[in-house]
Amino acid sequence: AQSVAQPEDQVNVAEGNPLTVKCTYSVSGNPYLFWYVQYPNRGLQFLLKYITGDNLVKGSYGFEAEFNKSQTSFHLKKPSALVSDSALYFCAVSRGYNQGGKLIFGQGTELSVKP
Amino acid sequence: NAGVTQTPKFQVLKTGQSMTLQCAQDMNHNSMYWYRQDPGMGLRLIYYSASEGTTDKGEVPNGYNVSRLNKREFSLRLESAAPSQTSVYFCASSEPGARETQYFGPGTRLLVL
Repeated sequence: AQSVAQPEDQVNVAEGNPLTVKCTYSVSGNPYLFWYVQYPNRGLQFLLKYITGDNLVKGSYGFEAEFNKSQTSFHLKKPSALVSDSALYFCAVSRGYNQGGKLIFGQGTELSVKP
Repeated sequence: NAGVTQTPKFQVLKTGQSMTLQCAQDMNHNSMYWYRQDPGMGLRLIYYSASEGTTDKGEVPNGYNVSRLNKREFSLRLESAAPSQTSVYFCASSEPGARETQYFGPGTRLLVL
């Protein structure tokens, strides 16, 4: 069965430090992987996605993610965290080409960046 | 260009009442989705519509019905609300296909007493 796991419910980082939000997946075939961010009382906003090609994907707001096929991971990273990055982050995997683009979401990781 | 809009923003229902959550998108997308978000569980797909005139069940369809009114609009109906349906509901749209990015509305917060 296809699944996504975000092993950390919460990540705490000091402003200016690098941040990593972890995601691992289990999917048959080639995965299509997404990161979304949710600010309080808002909908989800798309950050970036991996479809094929370069394992390092760059996205919005200075975020990037590294696809690692051997470790089945797609960790979200940012070199220097901002207080405004504090939000709920979701990793998602597409169910596959014949599944109409339906996404499976991880449970979310709360990122807290302190000044 | 408003993207995906949802109404209402917040609703309180009593057990057994019915209501319809409205969703509309102006991006000319073919596919639309309804999710519910519960703490610690991420988002779970309730129903989706790959294209106008088609709808299919997702992971958690029980207690819900949907209508794809036209290409723009996709509504979610609770016929007899239950406390277990207290949640935040999100509508999303995209072009069809596994590679396509989904765009989300601002959500409807529903409380069933």
